[in-house]
Amino acid sequence: RKEVEQDPGPFNVPEGATVAFNCTYSNSASQSFFWYRQDCRKEPKLLMSVYSSGNEDGRFTAQLNRASQYISLLIRDSKLSDSATYLCVVNSGGGYNKLIFGAGTRLAVHP
Amino acid sequence: EAGVAQSPRYKIIEKRQSVAFWCNPISGHATLYWYQQILGQGPKLLIQFQNNGVVDDSQLPKDRFSAERLKGVDSTLKIQPAKLEDSAVYLCASSPIRGRENGYTFGSGTRLTVV
Repeated sequence: RKEVEQDPGPFNVPEGATVAFNCTYSNSASQSFFWYRQDCRKEPKLLMSVYSSGNEDGRFTAQLNRASQYISLLIRDSKLSDSATYLCVVNSGGGYNKLIFGAGTRLAVHP
Repeated sequence: EAGVAQSPRYKIIEKRQSVAFWCNPISGHATLYWYQQILGQGPKLLIQFQNNGVVDDSQLPKDRFSAERLKGVDSTLKIQPAKLEDSAVYLCASSPIRGRENGYTFGSGTRLTVV
């Protein structure tokens, strides 16, 4: 079983749609969680951290369920510029700052 | 703040040749990582340094890959000899020791094609 699993997509949605991505992780000792965004042929960039209480940044909402080892990202009112791959990322803990990446979910927003 | 610098941006080599990549992390970041990202996959950690010591190289193919971080700053990753399956983007990232809540910063990567 992979340490971080995501639905690979692609998700093809019209502008203005709401889209949700899901992710599960296997290591219950994981300490922190993130969503990264990766544009085509670019490096991954931090989109947002994910907290147990849930957190929101504009149109983006992230949720963490530690009991189910499940992470989600909700994007409301999708824009063309949201088209990218979204990587679910888990800090594996164990005393070092080591990030484990999922394979990513591709999002394509069309007019 | 200057970002993570990597060079070269692109490299094409023939199989069985050698290649080296260079990374300069963000100033003051103690931890440096090399990741391999194969097309369609997420980045996979190859090696992690804290200052100039290795803390994790469990997924580094040590028969052909080597890395060093002299003086705890710049790092080089070498492949010798290269195989076709080494074609990927090699990403360097850095973080402060206490950066667990903030993720870390990637360089723009080196795209390697082995033919």
